[in-house]
Amino acid sequence: DAGVIQSPRHEVTEMGQEVTLRCKPISGHDYLFWYRQTMMRGLELLIYFNNNVPIDDSGMPEDRFSAKMPNASFSTLKIQPSEPRDSAVYFCASSLARGGVNEQFFGPGTRLTVL
Amino acid sequence: QKEVEQDPGPLSVPEGAIVSLNCTYSNSAFQYFMWYRQYSRKGPELLMYTYSSGNKEDGRFTAQVDKSSKYISLFIRDSQPSDSATYLCAANTGGFKTIFGAGTRLFVKA
Repeated sequence: DAGVIQSPRHEVTEMGQEVTLRCKPISGHDYLFWYRQTMMRGLELLIYFNNNVPIDDSGMPEDRFSAKMPNASFSTLKIQPSEPRDSAVYFCASSLARGGVNEQFFGPGTRLTVL
Repeated sequence: QKEVEQDPGPLSVPEGAIVSLNCTYSNSAFQYFMWYRQYSRKGPELLMYTYSSGNKEDGRFTAQVDKSSKYISLFIRDSQPSDSATYLCAANTGGFKTIFGAGTRLFVKA
């Protein structure tokens, strides 16, 4: 299996622009997570989906952030309009509901820089 | 207060040293305690986990949880330069919302 795939790997944009991050989870996994990682705040859970349905979006910082999962193999995280404080590494992770520890498998991340 | 607190370091040790990484947590409902390892420019990967209190050993790594003091520890014996990474502690209640610590950056010098 190729693992979790994220694109783009790097994104540099200017303040006010729309940014779309993409994720393909591991085939067969039924949970998908979006995280943001910064030096100051560490790894923060933004939103997660179960069977394509958003379960908990309490970590989404503002209305400027939105996430969708139109099917089991694709999800997007959109920031509109982007601001410099959104600069971070955004990770997508997926998991298979087996109970217990529920290991999450992370993608390589998208490094976002908003100028 | 964050639910899982972790000193971000960095921690620098010589090769062969015993490394102790620690976290505290505040949610008594946490049942699963995990350590993820993150190499530079990569996503975190699960290193090991424990259920409830106790110890778990895997090669040079030992994870320890003390629920009475809400303390999570990871010990690395005979540390190697390849162990240089960021180590994130994490916890959940058995559901899918996992709370991560900030991560401790570890450097093992050859």
